Amino acid sequence: EAGVTQFPSHSVIEKGQTVTLRCDPISGHDNLYWYRRVMGKEIKFLLHFVKESKQDESGMPNNRFLAERTGGTYSTLKVQPAELEDSGVYFCASSRDTNTEAFFGQGTRLTVV
Amino acid sequence: AQSVTQLGSHVSVSEGALVLLRCNYSSSVPPYLFWYVQYPNQGLQLLLKYTTGATLVKGINGFEAEFKKSETSFHLTKPSAHMSDAAEYFCAVRLPYNFNKFYFGSGTKLNVKP
Repeated sequence: EAGVTQFPSHSVIEKGQTVTLRCDPISGHDNLYWYRRVMGKEIKFLLHFVKESKQDESGMPNNRFLAERTGGTYSTLKVQPAELEDSGVYFCASSRDTNTEAFFGQGTRLTVV
Repeated sequence: AQSVTQLGSHVSVSEGALVLLRCNYSSSVPPYLFWYVQYPNQGLQLLLKYTTGATLVKGINGFEAEFKKSETSFHLTKPSAHMSDAAEYFCAVRLPYNFNKFYFGSGTKLNVKP
């Protein structure tokens, strides 16, 4: 069984550009989560999907971030326009239910220059 | 607000020595507690977790952790470090009434010296 897959593994963009990160959860996992780790600090929750619906987006930093999960399968996280402080590692995780184990992807390292 | 504190962003031990990574949390209710490990270029992997029951939990690769409610701690230990244990370790909590999110600590990088 394939794990959680994230694309790309690394992205370097200029300030003001747009970047889209993608997450493919484990097949059959209705729950999908995005987390972010900035500058070696703690990993922080961004949002939670149940199927295609946003269950909790309380961690999204501002309206430059847009997450989607059309069809309830893969998810994208778009940053537009990117700012320097958006640099960090973006993790995706999925779980079958909210109270079962969450599996994490390897992360996307985003660098905004 | 919930917080998870990992004491020491970098810990260095000799191969064969005891590994002790510290984690303290703040929560008004007993949370569910987790340790994750991230090896280079890999995702976060669950090492062990405490939900209910026995407070000493054993995980993969010889690691274990003990939940101490009175100390609000969940320290991770391994009796004898191996070179392959070099990685970054994250302590995390989930709250029983808000189970959809983890609260993570800032991570501890473990270096194992030959």
